[in-house]
Amino acid sequence: GDSVTQMEGPVTLSEEAFLTINCTYTATGYPSLFWYVQYPGEGLQLLLKATKADDKGSNKGFEATYRKETTSFHLEKGSVQVSDSAVYFCALSGAAGSYQLTFGKGTKLSVIP
Amino acid sequence: DAGVTQSPTHLIKTRGQQVTLRCSPISGHKSVSWYQQVLGQGPQFIFQYYEKEERGRGNFPDRFSARQFPNYSSELNVNALLLGDSALYLCASSLRGEAGANVLTFGAGSRLTVL
Repeated sequence: GDSVTQMEGPVTLSEEAFLTINCTYTATGYPSLFWYVQYPGEGLQLLLKATKADDKGSNKGFEATYRKETTSFHLEKGSVQVSDSAVYFCALSGAAGSYQLTFGKGTKLSVIP
Repeated sequence: DAGVTQSPTHLIKTRGQQVTLRCSPISGHKSVSWYQQVLGQGPQFIFQYYEKEERGRGNFPDRFSARQFPNYSSELNVNALLLGDSALYLCASSLRGEAGANVLTFGAGSRLTVL
């Protein structure tokens, strides 16, 4: 079945540092890929998405590129801020017609001033 | 515009009891999905409803059930609660039934504690 593997956290960075959170997936067909963010005490918010190979999703300075050859969708940001402290989830949905998201376990990011 | 609203936000039950969680989707959204998020884990798919019909069910026991009403709101019911049912229950709505490129918008969740 479908699965998502994220790098384990927690990750602690200083403000303005470069961020990479690794995500790889296993799926049949051509899934859509997502990054969701969860701030303390809140639900999930969509951060970015990519629906086909080589697509780059971007939002709020975060980027991720859909790499079919390496089955990866790594999240990057050039300069993190304290306000980026949250838990980040990589997720996929299966081929067209699929109705559910499969999530990774999440990576907790803490940014210190 | 109101987002996805869930109630109650927090509740405490004891083992063996039953619980009903409620969800109102974004206006115009016809699909509602439920996810269970155990502390420290990613959300796990429980159910999806589209146009009041069940479209999918995750790997959860029959103690879990749900329904969608004509106004597209939804309820999740859990019977015979176990300690392991303690979790954040997330509801998500979308315009259509496919999760592919069709973005899910999540509510803030209902945190259930089973003692």
